[in-house]
Amino acid sequence: GAVVSQHPSRVICKSGTSVKIECRSLDFQATTMFWYRQFPKKSLMLMATSNEGSKATYEQGVEKDKFLINHASLTLSTLTVTSAHPEDSSFYICSAWDRGYGYTFGSGTRLTVV
Amino acid sequence: DQQVKQNSPSLSVQEGRISILNCDYTNSMFDYFLWYKKYPAEGPTFLISISSIKDKNEDGRFTVFLNKSAKHLSLHIVPSQPGDSAVYFCAASEAGYQKVTFGIGTKLQVIP
Repeated sequence: GAVVSQHPSRVICKSGTSVKIECRSLDFQATTMFWYRQFPKKSLMLMATSNEGSKATYEQGVEKDKFLINHASLTLSTLTVTSAHPEDSSFYICSAWDRGYGYTFGSGTRLTVV
Repeated sequence: DQQVKQNSPSLSVQEGRISILNCDYTNSMFDYFLWYKKYPAEGPTFLISISSIKDKNEDGRFTVFLNKSAKHLSLHIVPSQPGDSAVYFCAASEAGYQKVTFGIGTKLQVIP
């Protein structure tokens, strides 16, 4: 089946620094990848939709300058949290969509900003 | 505005019995529904889905029922097993759109 690899699984960073999270589709090409954020006891909130070779589409209320998304190839999308603050601490999950496999999720990244 | 609602935050069921997880939606444009299972500190994994042209889809111990007129769907797990203990997310999407809207999740605990 389809596998999406997400790294790192956990990261702790200092306030003001930037963190990059990678999402790779291992055995299929994903023209579209999605980035979600999950707060404790909350739903998975879609942050942005990333299409290969074009700019990401951000959901309302998501700062595109803070959450930089790059989808440079059909197998890799990255989310960079810039100038991270403690309120950015969360669980970030990517998913890749393929016509044959549907949605496949990465294992998630626990970001803690101290 | 929560378009996909899972009103029960948690559910406890005895092993071997049936687990029923409910989900309601408000967007009449949704036509494809999915259930995901999520363990702590892991990404969701796909469980089962149903298209709006059907009212039931079955896969082993998992059955999803869809009532379009009531905008309600449910996931039945029978018999429930301790390994089923996880958070279950209901999700929905509109025709032609890849964007998926998730509910808040229901934490299922299956007691041995």
